Parts: sequence; C-alpha cells; structure tokens
Amino acid sequence: QSALTQPASVSGSPGQSIAISCTGTTSDVGGYNYVSWYQQHPGKAPKLMIYDVTNRPSGVSNRFSGSKSGNTASLTISGLQAEDEADYYCSSYTSSSTHVFGTGTKVSVL
Amino acid sequence: EVQLVESGGGLVKPGGSLRLSCAASGFTFRSYNMNWVRQAPGKGLEWVSSIGSSTNYIYYADSVKGRFTISRDDAKNSLYLQMNSLRAEDTAVYYCARGGTYCTNGVCYIRFFEYWGQGTLVTVSS
Repeated sequence: QSALTQPASVSGSPGQSIAISCTGTTSDVGGYNYVSWYQQHPGKAPKLMIYDVTNRPSGVSNRFSGSKSGNTASLTISGLQAEDEADYYCSSYTSSSTHVFGTGTKVSVL
Repeated sequence: EVQLVESGGGLVKPGGSLRLSCAASGFTFRSYNMNWVRQAPGKGLEWVSSIGSSTNYIYYADSVKGRFTISRDDAKNSLYLQMNSLRAEDTAVYYCARGGTYCTNGVCYIRFFEYWGQGTLVTVSS
C-alpha cells in the first residue's frame, strides 16, 4: 500500500487561509469517507484534527475544516496562527482492510 | 481522561525480539479498537496493526506481517505488540492509539485514531 501524496510544505502569513491536499486512489481516499487528518508538533504525538472527511473532534478549532473530491481530500486552515505551525498527515481506510497515511506536510507560518 | 502509556522499547540487535506494551486508562478498554502506529526518525507516520474489541479482527501492514503479533488483555486494560525478526527498518517510535471504527455486515472499518500515547522508541542496530 503506497502512502497518500501530500505536498512537502505549505506556508502562509498569519490570518491567511491555506489548504493541504491528500491524493490517493479509488481503493482508499476515493472509495471511503474515512479520511482523517492529524497535527504533529516536533517531539509530540499526533493529534486528531478531522475525521470522516469533514468532522471535527470536540475541542478542535473551527478554523480547521476538511473536504473531499474524488480521490483527493483537503484540509483547510483559516485564520492561520503561529501555533498552527506543525506537520500534518492525512490518512484513509483502504480496501485491503488496512490504513494508510499521507507523506506529510510541513506548515510554516511566515 | 483517556491515557495511553507505552513501554518496552529499547535497543535490540537485528533478528532479535521485543515486546511492547500499552497501558490504557480513562475509558472502557474492552469496547474499543486499538492500534499501533510507528514513525521512523525524521519520517512520516506508518500504520502497523489493528485489533478489534473482543479481538474480533486483527490486521497487519504488509511490512510487518508474519513478524509482528498484536494482542490485548482486556482484564489488564493493556495492548501488546510482539516484534520478532526485527530489522533496521523497524527502528521507529511506536505509538499506541485508540481507534474509531464502524462495523457492518461482518466488516469493520478503521475510521480514525482518536487518542495517542507518547510513544516508545525501538532501535534495531548491531
């Protein structure tokens, strides 16, 4: 199972909106609405930010939103803040009953 | 408060074995799917294995199938990963994670990983 494809880095200024793409296939992202997104700060464990494509867990800021079109999912961060600087990973259930993560995206706040 | 605490990591020679443990608290352990996810130094996340509540299913990544065994002890609120025939490429921080699943018609879908432990480092080197 190949990793889902994400851009290596995305940057934006405080207050701006950025989007991170996550491209898979019909066997994972395109085949199921079980895409999730994780934020990871250096040296810390990942944190769930979005699940089932569009849902936010309790306590996650509404500045984070998710969407999907075909085989590509996206995470949008609006009103970018300094604390949003981190690595972000998408993941998806797959037709092999396994789970696959994305390659990861480093978000920088300029 | 949900807590997951991994232990058992360390330095092991190629071909050796190691058993990781994850102690869970703050939730009804037996009711949840549990998972292992790893991260090699400076690399991305890699799903390793999942086990259903009541061990109704077990899944492995191809990279560890036949070498790793996931198990759980609901009486002890604990998750385990027995790792045999270890290779240099197994070097990573191993995270225990509580999962969200949806089961229907005999199929269980691993939807997301809701809570994570702090991880335990496994280093495979001679």
